Amino acid sequence: DTGVSQNPRHKITKRGQNVTFRCDPISEHNRLYWYRQTLGQGPEFLTYFQNEAQLEKSRLLSDRFSAERPKGSFSTLEIQRTEQGDSAMYLCASSQDGQGLYGYTFGSGTRLTVV
Amino acid sequence: GENVEQHPSTLSVQEGDSAVIKCTYSDSASNYFPWYKQELGKRPQLIIDIRSNVGEKKDQRIAVTLNKTAKHFSLHITETQPEDSAVYFCAANQAGTALIFGKGTTLSVSS
Repeated sequence: DTGVSQNPRHKITKRGQNVTFRCDPISEHNRLYWYRQTLGQGPEFLTYFQNEAQLEKSRLLSDRFSAERPKGSFSTLEIQRTEQGDSAMYLCASSQDGQGLYGYTFGSGTRLTVV
Repeated sequence: GENVEQHPSTLSVQEGDSAVIKCTYSDSASNYFPWYKQELGKRPQLIIDIRSNVGEKKDQRIAVTLNKTAKHFSLHITETQPEDSAVYFCAANQAGTALIFGKGTTLSVSS
């Protein structure tokens, strides 16, 4: 197990296009989180899963964003009708259970640029 | 929901000096407080964490203190080295919720 894996590493898309990112967590971790990070800011929470159940979504999460974790393993984050303001680093993290009170292991992120 | 404030936003120290970064949180129910280090172009990595049943935790040159009454916690780095230069983030949460992060502190250690 090499840690949390995210693909692609970079994505450039035109405004209005849809994009999808994938995250493969550490295999024994049943919690998976999505964050967004812009330059000079801390990771901003988007949503998280425990197994296949999506337990929490940020109030800041637009309807254009949707996430899935169909079999409780990998997860996908889709952004529809991308806007320039969506340009950011999208980070995935996973953690073992314990009600989320363990440190997260982050992936290297997917850097999205909307032109 | 939880809100985490972090200060200072930038911190410059000489090699060998100590560095202190402070965070405050808003939700008194929060009981887990990790610190992450993010080097340029890399992922955030957990460096130390503390739970609400302890007031201080040390790991070699780094330590974290927690004051639940005042709702603040701090990261202390002693004998700083150039490789400590990075962005440091504090975070907080309670059981069943996701971590909420501060905006980060850019630490620069000059030799």
